[in-house]
Amino acid sequence: EVQLVESGGGLVQPGRSLRLSCAASGFTFDDYSLHWVRQAPGKGLEWVSGISWNGGDTGYADSVKGRFTISRDNAKNSLYLQMNSVRTEDTALYYCAKDSGSAWYGGRRYFDYWGQGTLVTVAS
Amino acid sequence: QSVLTQPPSASGTPGQRVTISCFGDSSNIGINTVNWYQQLPGTAPKLLIYTDDRRPSGVPDRFSGSESGTSASLAISGLRSEDEADYYCATWDDNLKNWVFGGGTRLTVL
Repeated sequence: EVQLVESGGGLVQPGRSLRLSCAASGFTFDDYSLHWVRQAPGKGLEWVSGISWNGGDTGYADSVKGRFTISRDNAKNSLYLQMNSVRTEDTALYYCAKDSGSAWYGGRRYFDYWGQGTLVTVAS
Repeated sequence: QSVLTQPPSASGTPGQRVTISCFGDSSNIGINTVNWYQQLPGTAPKLLIYTDDRRPSGVPDRFSGSESGTSASLAISGLRSEDEADYYCATWDDNLKNWVFGGGTRLTVL
């Protein structure tokens, strides 16, 4: 059974940093790309970042580019999101999602499994 | 403002058929396949339809997807109370080089 378990969320002040983690199990981790998707309170889904199977290629939404860094450790079956210079508008539930393929971009693919999310609240 | 446009709400009575639309353009739906996600209240999104019209194992055949030109649709037949949820369409956008989601449609079963 595929499982994705996020952690690391919490209350953080504007301008500070936070690191989210996602522990994966139930599939061959280094065969697939992964993503972070967030959902602000009462709002819709927003793709944040994606990373290829080997970590060699990454992509970011314009809203987080230059502030967030996605990474993965295939030896630990873990995905990470380093969030720097956080803003109040980054407040959201952050989901880890598994891609159906090995690249993070391009059509004919989909996010087939999602974690339960970790809540990030940015406030002073 | 979402790149993909969905109606904010939809409703139907038990047993009815409901459709939810998703409008895009030539850089997203026009050239890439569409996926649909169901988010039940208080839970994480779940893949409902992939590559326009395919159902993952375990999804009832009451749910179906279609695509035409720069728009896509999700149809739910034999509506049940447990179908009350938010539904999101999503696809890859070749211009933005981003994954894009619709704003979501809240389905109410009356």
